Amino acid sequence: EAEVAQSPRYKITEKSQAVAFWCDPISGHATLYWYRQILGQGPELLVQFQDESVVDDSQLPKDRFSAERLKGVDSTLKIQPAELGDSAMYLCASSFRETEAFFGQGTRLTVV
Amino acid sequence: AQSVTQLDSHVSVSEGTPVLLRCNYSSSYSPSLFWYVQHPNKGLQLLLKYTSAATLVKGINGFEAEFKKSETSFHLTKPSAHMSDAAEYFCVVSDRGGSYIPTFGRGTSLIVHP
Repeated sequence: EAEVAQSPRYKITEKSQAVAFWCDPISGHATLYWYRQILGQGPELLVQFQDESVVDDSQLPKDRFSAERLKGVDSTLKIQPAELGDSAMYLCASSFRETEAFFGQGTRLTVV
Repeated sequence: AQSVTQLDSHVSVSEGTPVLLRCNYSSSYSPSLFWYVQHPNKGLQLLLKYTSAATLVKGINGFEAEFKKSETSFHLTKPSAHMSDAAEYFCVVSDRGGSYIPTFGRGTSLIVHP
């Protein structure tokens, strides 16, 4: 069964360091999402891609976060510099046109 | 704009009794609605979806939900709770015809007592 792959599963980093997360969506899914989920809350959208283009990044803190999907397939989300408040689960999801989103297992980030 | 309100942050039931998790939505277009489940330290799994066909939707593990446009609701039900149902549940809305961005509610934690 096709899955969304994310790595790493867990990441511990010191504040002010750079950190990156990787996502490989289900093959054929043009839409890719990055969400941030703070403990005890629902996921919040950071950025949405359609192929290699950004559709919505209005909630992405652009002073420290960046996201790219250069060839319209896999994607990388970067934080530089990391802050204590960035500790959260980072979820990647993909979908085929306007259908349900399929989620990866997520990356649990802890900033110390 | 779209939004979701999950009316209960926690729901506690006994094993074998019915489950009701409540969700109200707001949408400027025709909505697609979803319920996802999240077990501890796991990703999100789709339980069921409504996309404009039948208003009563059946999902996995015995769950179902009914789309009620007049009430702007999409409540999740199950006739008999099982211990393995204990998890976090999220109601999600996407606007078909608008910006199709899955928007999550805050979640409802389902607690199942033996």
